Amino acid sequence: DAGVIQSPRHEVTEMGQEVTLRCKPISGHNSLFWYRQTMMRGLELLIYFNNNVPIDDSGMPEDRFSAKMPNASFSTLKIQPSEPRDSAVYFCASSLLRLPLHFGNGTRLTVT
Amino acid sequence: DQQVKQNSPSLSVQEGRISILNCDYTNSMFDYFLWYKKYPAEGPTFLISISSIKDKNEDGRFTVFLNKSAKHLSLHIVPSQPGDSAVYFCAASGGNYGQNFVFGPGTRLSVLP
Repeated sequence: DAGVIQSPRHEVTEMGQEVTLRCKPISGHNSLFWYRQTMMRGLELLIYFNNNVPIDDSGMPEDRFSAKMPNASFSTLKIQPSEPRDSAVYFCASSLLRLPLHFGNGTRLTVT
Repeated sequence: DQQVKQNSPSLSVQEGRISILNCDYTNSMFDYFLWYKKYPAEGPTFLISISSIKDKNEDGRFTVFLNKSAKHLSLHIVPSQPGDSAVYFCAASGGNYGQNFVFGPGTRLSVLP
């Protein structure tokens, strides 16, 4: 079991650029979550998918953020255009039904 | 409005002693609770869970207690070891949140040798 795989591990970009974060969930898991961790707000849910369908995107900060899950083994979180306040660690997690979430190691995003 | 609170940002404990991490929640619909441990530069890893039908769950050195009337849970680590030094997150789900988990802000535990 390779666990949840996120890429890239680190991303440094300039304000205004498009950023795409990628996630491969654990095979067989039917739910996928994107979280953002900041010092001020801790771990906050951005969006989650159930069987590839977005269920709750109320945590997505604004229209600059979008997420897709084209199939059961891949998801992306895109920020366009990026801003310095988007700097954070972004985690992807997957789970089966209501079992505990399994997290990836995160992507540290820095927007200058 | 924080629905899951961990009021102690940090805690220091001597090796071998008991560590007690606390968590409070406000949503009475929450019925499933988890604790996660997080090391720097890694994602949170699942530690232990408890459902609202129980008031205690034990796994080795880790025990979680749930007091539903007080909307309070705690994680006990006995004995504490230096390798337990990490950030601990409490998480809750249930009600309108479905499969989603709401996380607390975390408590940084330092176990001193």
